[in-house]
Amino acid sequence: NAGVTQTPKFRILKIGQSMTLQCAQDMNHNYMYWYRQDPGMGLKLIYYSVGAGITDKGEVPNGYNVSRSTTEDFPLRLELAAPSQTSVYFCASSPGQDPSPLHFGNGTRLTVT
Amino acid sequence: AQKVTQAQTEISVVEKEDVTLDCVYETRDTTYYLFWYKQPPSGELVFLIRRNSFDEQNEISGRYSWNFQKSTSSFNFTITASQVVDSAVYFCALSEAGGNNRLAFGKGNQVVVIP
Repeated sequence: NAGVTQTPKFRILKIGQSMTLQCAQDMNHNYMYWYRQDPGMGLKLIYYSVGAGITDKGEVPNGYNVSRSTTEDFPLRLELAAPSQTSVYFCASSPGQDPSPLHFGNGTRLTVT
Repeated sequence: AQKVTQAQTEISVVEKEDVTLDCVYETRDTTYYLFWYKQPPSGELVFLIRRNSFDEQNEISGRYSWNFQKSTSSFNFTITASQVVDSAVYFCALSEAGGNNRLAFGKGNQVVVIP
């Protein structure tokens, strides 16, 4: 049982490039989330999904897009990368019923230069 | 809107000392859930404890204990007899009932246990 798997682990992007951060879970969880973690700032919610075909914005969605075509996958798309998007990105999932703890992936460290 | 405040940024203790981490939260909901997560140097986030707003009973689990006080909106966390393996960043988080398990995190407490 792999849990939540994020790829890649590390990535360096040039300003203006685009990329997709992959997230997959094998726990049949309905709810999935993307957070970013900046140094000393805790985690902030970017987007979340409560099921296939349903997504919604979190606290800091600007510059990102998501899709949820299957229960298992929840990719995060960065268009026109900017230095402000340098961060560690965490994907998480939960069964969906309050108050389930979130299961986190190991994170993707992204640097935009 | 929900908000979580962890005022202390870095706390250093000598091994075997106790360390208490403060967490103060804000929410308009009467039903909510509080969490503590641990992030060791390897970077993953590990769930430690969850508390419901209607359950103020404090708990001890091994070397960890929690003090939940609704009257002061605080959910403090104590590590007793700290060990080097406790060195990590600890996050307090809040989710509101019906909020789709979305967590609002505090900024975290960096705990350094000195051998």
